[in-house]
Amino acid sequence: ETGVTQTPRHLVMGMTNKKSLKCEQHLGHNAMYWYKQSAKKPLELMFVYSLEERVENNSVPSRFSPECPNSSHLFLHLHTLQPEDSALYLCASSQDTGRETQYFGPGTRLLVL
Amino acid sequence: AQTVTQSQPEMSVQEAETVTLSCTYDTSESDYYLFWYKQPPSRQMILVIRQEAYKQQNATENRFSVNFQKAAKSFSLKISDSQLGDAAMYFCAYWVWGGSQGNLIFGKGTKLSVKP
Repeated sequence: ETGVTQTPRHLVMGMTNKKSLKCEQHLGHNAMYWYKQSAKKPLELMFVYSLEERVENNSVPSRFSPECPNSSHLFLHLHTLQPEDSALYLCASSQDTGRETQYFGPGTRLLVL
Repeated sequence: AQTVTQSQPEMSVQEAETVTLSCTYDTSESDYYLFWYKQPPSRQMILVIRQEAYKQQNATENRFSVNFQKAAKSFSLKISDSQLGDAAMYFCAYWVWGGSQGNLIFGKGTKLSVKP
């Protein structure tokens, strides 16, 4: 596979469930990102990892827990979510966290019931 | 606050015609990068074009070109010879330093429809 991949593409979960989103980049990049895309709103940056270390956490609720085991993989662990967390979650990567272009995955459409 | 404004929530263009999508931004920085991304129904965000703020020459990529007016903080996208495959959401964004690393700031997007 090439580029940035995300699994699953769709996810429906109850508020008491625990699930994880997975992102994998095949571009040899050192930086990875999680974004939230809600209807009628700009993309919101959630987390930034550089060389497997978290460098930014934009006041995201603790029910979202990121994990970056290596520079190619990024996870977003979800637990006790709220209906307002329903959104498209996009993963992106770039060569580093500087002025490099970010390349996006296809996203995971999450619905919280 | 650093913001990006796309004033056209929806636009429509006839196939083979030209359309221009507008974008304005607000930043106090002098060195930054600007981007247009396309998001088709498949949801994959695809880079369309990139412009370095220090360059006066407008970027072009085949049928896509920008009109970058730095003083006016304007960054519009022109699509020439529109094709059905151009139908998508288009997002304007700029990169700026924020904290310990750069951040991409996005607009709300413009939905482009292409009529056959």
